[in-house]
Amino acid sequence: EAQVTQNPRYLITVTGKKLTVTCSQNMNHEYMSWYRQDPGLGLRQIYYSMNVEVTDKGDVPEGYKVSRKEKRNFPLILESPSPNQTSLYFCASSLYPGGVYGYTFGSGTRLTVV
Amino acid sequence: KNEVEQSPQNLTAQEGEFITINCSYSVGISALHWLQQHPGGGIVSLFMLSSGKKKHGRLIATINIQEKHSSLHITASHPIDSAVYICAVRFQGGSEKLVFGKGTKLTVNP
Repeated sequence: EAQVTQNPRYLITVTGKKLTVTCSQNMNHEYMSWYRQDPGLGLRQIYYSMNVEVTDKGDVPEGYKVSRKEKRNFPLILESPSPNQTSLYFCASSLYPGGVYGYTFGSGTRLTVV
Repeated sequence: KNEVEQSPQNLTAQEGEFITINCSYSVGISALHWLQQHPGGGIVSLFMLSSGKKKHGRLIATINIQEKHSSLHITASHPIDSAVYICAVRFQGGSEKLVFGKGTKLTVNP
């Protein structure tokens, strides 16, 4: 089944403890992105990647890192999480630029930082 | 500033009604997407528009580039259409950046 897999689905962590949220797609898509969703603010793009080793900032990149060493994986790294990074996170991928045939989203990761 | 505005924020309808959700944006775009977020949280792409109109089943999406406005219509609405509908815009020269509207929560009552 074609899908984007995020792990974990739920995570509670403490301030300052480094964590990684994984994202993997099995569709050979070139384009991958990370988003966060917050009540009242909607979805906002954190980082995106246009291919292996090619990444760029979205609207809210502060406090996050990404890497794209392989085409299928695009992990989101929080080096020193803070409570304002408590959010619902989504990873998405697309085959063509601009999501011409749409995006495939992961199921989301609900992160709580205490 | 590149902004995307959706209206209404919340919409309640009776089964069978014709639904319209609106999306306006501030500057020129290269593409506009309509997404559906299910009550369980999953997000699905519905349409990508750069001009004109697209139809899939009971869903119709239109875009007017000159007026910087798009609409999503649902004909013969059904309770299964209850979801949050989100407009997302790729601005010209913005590479793979997407800017989202805040979403429209639709509830269709039987």
